[in-house]
Amino acid sequence: DADVTQTPRNRITKTGKRIMLECSQTKGHDRMYWYRQDPGLGLRLIYYSFDVKDINKGEISDGYSVSRQAQAKFSLSLESAIPNQTALYFCATSDSGEVGSYNEQFFGPGTRLTVL
Amino acid sequence: DQQVKQNSPSLSVQEGRISILNCDYTNSMFDYFLWYKKYPAEGPTFLISISSIKDKNEDGRFTVFLNKSAKHLSLHIVPSQPGDSAVYFCAASASGGSNYKLTFGKGTLLTVNP
Repeated sequence: DADVTQTPRNRITKTGKRIMLECSQTKGHDRMYWYRQDPGLGLRLIYYSFDVKDINKGEISDGYSVSRQAQAKFSLSLESAIPNQTALYFCATSDSGEVGSYNEQFFGPGTRLTVL
Repeated sequence: DQQVKQNSPSLSVQEGRISILNCDYTNSMFDYFLWYKKYPAEGPTFLISISSIKDKNEDGRFTVFLNKSAKHLSLHIVPSQPGDSAVYFCAASASGGSNYKLTFGKGTLLTVNP
C-alpha cells in the first residue's frame, strides 16, 4: 500500500468552481506539504504544515487554502479555480527530526488538475 | 530568481554508458542537496543526497559529486539502463530552522536508449 495517497488523481473543472484535493499518509510524519508542478518549472511550494495547529504559506499560496484535519490528512482547496491553476499537484511528507538536520520528503502520486 | 538551475532540459545516452546530470545553485546557504527521480504519472522519489561536508556520495550505480566552490553538483549513473529513463530533479535545502524547504530545479529528462 502507498504511504502517501492523493485523491482524486485527475480532475477537470470549470473556472470559478471550488475544488478540494486530499492527501493522506500512513508514514506517521509530522510535516506535510503541497507543491505544484508546471511544465518546465519544477516543483513550487504552496503550503506546508509542521503539525495540526501549525500551517504556513509557501512561495505561491495566493488563490489556495489548506486544512490539516489530522496528523495524517492535509487538504488543499482552490476557492475559485482559474485556468492558470491547471497543473500537477503533489503532496509530500517528512519527519520533523532535529534542528540542523535534514529529512527527506516523500511524495504522493500527484493530482492532475485542469481548469477550463 | 532561480536558485537551483538544471540547464539541460533533456539528455539522451546509450544503455551501458555513463549519464551525467548537472545542477548549479546560487544560494550559499544551501548545505544539503538531493536528487529525485520522477516517472510519468508518479510522484518524485528520492534517489540520493549529499551534505555540504562531503564532496562525493555513492549508492550503487548512482554517485553525486559536489563542488562547493563552483556551486555545482552532478549525478553520475553508471552503467545507464533503460529503466533509468525519467525526469531527474535536483533540490537543495538549508539546514537549521528552515530545513523544511526544498528548492527544486526544473528537471532534466533522461532517455536511455537500448
